[in-house]
Amino acid sequence: EIVLTQSPATLSLSPGERATLSCRASQSVSTYLAWYQQKPGQAPRLLIYDASNRATGIPARFSGSGSGTDFTLTISSLEPEDFAIYYCQQRNNWPVTFGPGTKVDIK
Amino acid sequence: QVQLQQWGAGLLKPSETLSRTCAVYGGSFSNYYWSWIRQPPGKGLEWIGEINHSGSTNYNPSLKRRVSISVDTSKNQFSLKLSSVTAADTAVYYCARVFGGAHRYEGHWGQGTLVTVSS
Repeated sequence: EIVLTQSPATLSLSPGERATLSCRASQSVSTYLAWYQQKPGQAPRLLIYDASNRATGIPARFSGSGSGTDFTLTISSLEPEDFAIYYCQQRNNWPVTFGPGTKVDIK
Repeated sequence: QVQLQQWGAGLLKPSETLSRTCAVYGGSFSNYYWSWIRQPPGKGLEWIGEINHSGSTNYNPSLKRRVSISVDTSKNQFSLKLSSVTAADTAVYYCARVFGGAHRYEGHWGQGTLVTVSS
């Protein structure tokens, strides 16, 4: 099973700042990695798939990069609605696995 | 716009079988895989398994002995059964539409439902 590790566990930032979230895989997942955003009481929402492709309707301030074992989600300038938990997911190997999440909260 | 609506018992006793059905409204049913994911209260996400319209399934090995996912294409529904539940199966259960080819992703999620296992 591929283990995904996310860092940091919590990121405290102010609106307008840049957020950089990391996801590391225990072995290569090529580019088959996604990022999801989850707000309290809501279902997760797909932001990025195949490491760098934005899902439909996702603002351009969200970008993803990486391949192999190291991936990054960047939010260029945080909006108030971006404070949430972010999960990475790999779809290269069975079983599908998720990282433990990074919480982005307001500083 | 696709909508996913699930139902099933919200409170189970240990050793019972969890059953949930997810109905898909809007959009194509046959062109996608459909998956189940769960999230224990205050914790992260766990992928349970997926199915396509032909009944082809993939399961998480950690649950494989207890889980079964089925599909009813005549009703645009898919279902989850998880046997011999324990308190560790208490979670919010989500159904989702999966898009893509060999490497696919949960592109649209239904609103989750809390299932509690308690004696």
